[in-house]
Amino acid sequence: AQTVTQSQPEMSVQEAETVTLSCTYDTSESDYYLFWYKQPPSRQMILVIRQEAYKQQNATENRFSVNFQKAAKSFSLKISDSQLGDAAMYFCAYRARRGGSEKLVFGKGTKLTVNP
Amino acid sequence: NAGVTQTPKFQVLKTGQSMTLQCAQDMNHNSMYWYRQDPGMGLRLIYYSASEGTTDKGEVPNGYNVSRLNKREFSLRLESAAPSQTSVYFCASSGRLNTGELFFGEGSRLTVL
Repeated sequence: AQTVTQSQPEMSVQEAETVTLSCTYDTSESDYYLFWYKQPPSRQMILVIRQEAYKQQNATENRFSVNFQKAAKSFSLKISDSQLGDAAMYFCAYRARRGGSEKLVFGKGTKLTVNP
Repeated sequence: NAGVTQTPKFQVLKTGQSMTLQCAQDMNHNSMYWYRQDPGMGLRLIYYSASEGTTDKGEVPNGYNVSRLNKREFSLRLESAAPSQTSVYFCASSGRLNTGELFFGEGSRLTVL
């Protein structure tokens, strides 16, 4: 079964600094998606960034970028120029790319605090 | 565009009571999911439905039943609530691999006393 591990239960960063959240996963599939979701105190699950496994280029979305190492099964999230609004729980998630009904498997999350 | 709508947002139950969480999506998605979120555990899959008329167990199905009423609606039922079912419940849906992501409802906080 696929598993997703986030080894940092909590992280903190100073406003305007850069922080990296770690994620590793285990799968025997070759084609899959990886995601980072953000959950602010409002509880809403917000997609931050998506990576398709067949793409070698790391995904970027404004201040958010990933370091995708397929052989190492590692998928870290870098947040640059951190803002107070980035404070949230961040979940790494994996989804096999097969029939369209595949489950999303989540890590346990990293709570990010942004200090002014 | 409403996306995924869950009701109720909050509910308090007594042990042994039953209730149904309702979920509807307006994105014409085939697949729908129910997750529960507990502190330190991330989101764990309870049940999912790949298409209308089909349902399958996820990681933590015990104590729950589901119904895929039609393409839009996917309900989660607790027949005899237990304190261990105190949690935040999320419904989600996805289309046919166009982007791969799941779209989530706003969550329902359930407390069982």
